[in-house]
Amino acid sequence: DTGVSQNPRHKITKRGQNVTFRCDPISEHNRLYWYRQTLGQGPEFLTYFQNEAQLEKSRLLSDRFSAERPKGSFSTLEIQRTEQGDSAMYLCATTKTGAASTNEKLFFGSGTQLSVL
Amino acid sequence: AQKITQTQPGMFVQEKEAVTLDCTYDTSDQSYGLFWYKQPSSGEMIFLIYQGSYDEQNATEGRYSLNFQKARKSANLVISASQLGDSAMYFCAMREARGYGGSQGNLIFGKGTKLSVKP
Repeated sequence: DTGVSQNPRHKITKRGQNVTFRCDPISEHNRLYWYRQTLGQGPEFLTYFQNEAQLEKSRLLSDRFSAERPKGSFSTLEIQRTEQGDSAMYLCATTKTGAASTNEKLFFGSGTQLSVL
Repeated sequence: AQKITQTQPGMFVQEKEAVTLDCTYDTSDQSYGLFWYKQPSSGEMIFLIYQGSYDEQNATEGRYSLNFQKARKSANLVISASQLGDSAMYFCAMREARGYGGSQGNLIFGKGTKLSVKP
């Protein structure tokens, strides 16, 4: 069990550039979430996948954001035309869904810290 | 309205003493789950403890226990015998059975409490 892996750990970019983050889930975890965390706040839900299907997107996810999970394994989160307000920690979390839903704990990666200059 | 409220931005505790981190929540669901996560400076969120809304006994996991008061909608985390390695951000989170926007599985987090353990 290698845990949830996120790359890169840090990304510095200039405003207007595109960036892409990657998340590799724990093997056999079929549900994958993306969260965003700004300084002094708790993580905020962005979107999630059940296998390869993107089932829900938060209103926080503007048109400049797109996420994919081809083949239901790793996932990528792309931000186009980055803005300074996009600076945040982007966290990926995964879980293996079962019959009971409220007690499923999420396993988080260490996140990608994005700084937009 | 906030779903999860953590009113203590920062807390200090002496090493080896116990500390309580407060959490109140708001939901109209009968079925929900409450979680506590620890986030060290490295950034990774580490699961600590879970309490289901129908669980009659308070959850315990080693030095962590959850003081669940359903009528007050509070789910405070108690850390006994604090250690220097407990210094971190602590987040309370909730999952409702109906979930976010009708889906299941999404965790809603509070703003966190920064715990500092003094030697």
